[in-house]
Amino acid sequence: QVQLEESGPALVKPSETLSLTCTVSGGSISPFYWSWVRQPPGKGLEWIGYIYFSGSTNYNPSLKSRVTISLDTSKNHVSLKVRSVTAADTAVYYCARESYNTVTGDSYGLDVWGQGTTVTVSS
Amino acid sequence: EVVLTQSPGTLSLSPGERATLSCRASQFVSSSYLAWYQQKPGQAPRLLIYGASNRATGIPDRFSGSGSETDFTLTISRLEPEDFAVYYCQQYGNLPGYTFGQGTRLEIK
Repeated sequence: QVQLEESGPALVKPSETLSLTCTVSGGSISPFYWSWVRQPPGKGLEWIGYIYFSGSTNYNPSLKSRVTISLDTSKNHVSLKVRSVTAADTAVYYCARESYNTVTGDSYGLDVWGQGTTVTVSS
Repeated sequence: EVVLTQSPGTLSLSPGERATLSCRASQFVSSSYLAWYQQKPGQAPRLLIYGASNRATGIPDRFSGSGSETDFTLTISRLEPEDFAVYYCQQYGNLPGYTFGQGTRLEIK
């Protein structure tokens, strides 16, 4: 059964770049969508963006100018970069898989999630 | 961008009671692209419902989803102690982006 594990630095300085990796084990990157979702302390969920296994991406308009999501299919990795971070980027970051019907295109939702990794932005 | 508004913000009920959670969208959302998630403290969200009314794998049948266009509902027919958590709706059909509701906290009365 597929499992996701997020990894990366727990502490990032303001104005620097936050870099996280989601390792996919027990399954393949294709033919799925891979999303990043974050949750600031005590707050709700915010979708950051997704990448399709083909490499196409879609980002939250509020973050689009600072975010890049990429794939390394040889390593089964999904990566997230957030540039020019501030304290407002402090959050638990989750990666999640979106399954869909390959015939109709209907989505089955974000059906597999990693356990999340906490990132604090502070000097 | 589609804004999802969940109500109530907090729902206080007892085990065995019925819970009804609402999710209202600021514009039309295809029912094929509306999901519900459950989140417990310190845990990742868990998919409950996709396509507005389809239970995800392993989800008990006391959970059901309904609705269309701009009004969607998650119903828990008879609350179990493990159901007390925060619930989020999400739309994933209206680009440019997916959006989540702000959440409903279901607490023990």
